Amino acid sequence: GEDVEQSLFLSVREGDSSVINCTYTDSSSTYLYWYKQEPGAGLQLLTYIFSNMDMKQDQRLTVLLNKKDKHLSLRIADTQTGDSAIYFCAESSYSSASKIIFGSGTRLSIRP
Amino acid sequence: GAVVSQHPSRVICKSGTSVKIECRSLDFQATTMFWYRQFPKQSLMLMATSNEGSKATYEQGVEKDKFLINHASLTLSTLTVTSAHPEDSSFYICSASHTGTKLGETQYFGPGTRLLVL
Repeated sequence: GEDVEQSLFLSVREGDSSVINCTYTDSSSTYLYWYKQEPGAGLQLLTYIFSNMDMKQDQRLTVLLNKKDKHLSLRIADTQTGDSAIYFCAESSYSSASKIIFGSGTRLSIRP
Repeated sequence: GAVVSQHPSRVICKSGTSVKIECRSLDFQATTMFWYRQFPKQSLMLMATSNEGSKATYEQGVEKDKFLINHASLTLSTLTVTSAHPEDSSFYICSASHTGTKLGETQYFGPGTRLLVL
């Protein structure tokens, strides 16, 4: 079945870049997402990428997709304390009317 | 744009009572709404998918008689946890999408409702 995996924790020094990695198994994935969840809050869509793209950049965020290896990464440049959160990688097929499969989330902590 | 709200944000109830959670799309019409459940320090698990005016489609292992979902309008879906028990305590999150438009490229999530059953 479909599966999305990511590492559970990442610690980064303030000002450095953070790279969160994710792998997925469903070759029919059409949309790949990165969501951010702050403590006690819902999910905030950070960015998404279509499976026919290999990179997408949006200000401090860069998403890289290696479709052959089914590997997705999120790079946050100049990481700030406000970036502390859980980051979920997710995928869905066909359209937003399809269910989204989430990874377990990566908890990003920032050290001074 | 694309704001989804949930009400209440937190609810505490006694075991055996029923609790209703509302999910509203505030500035768009949601043809499809989804209900997720999140346990502490875990990922979101899809419970059910509902299309406006139709019966919800439940994921395997989710009791449809316990988690009643109604999607009566294009801006409102409700989840009712019937005869709640302590093991139903969780964070419930809804999302909404509108296929056929640019908004249809993704789902938009509500802020979540934390349910505690005593």
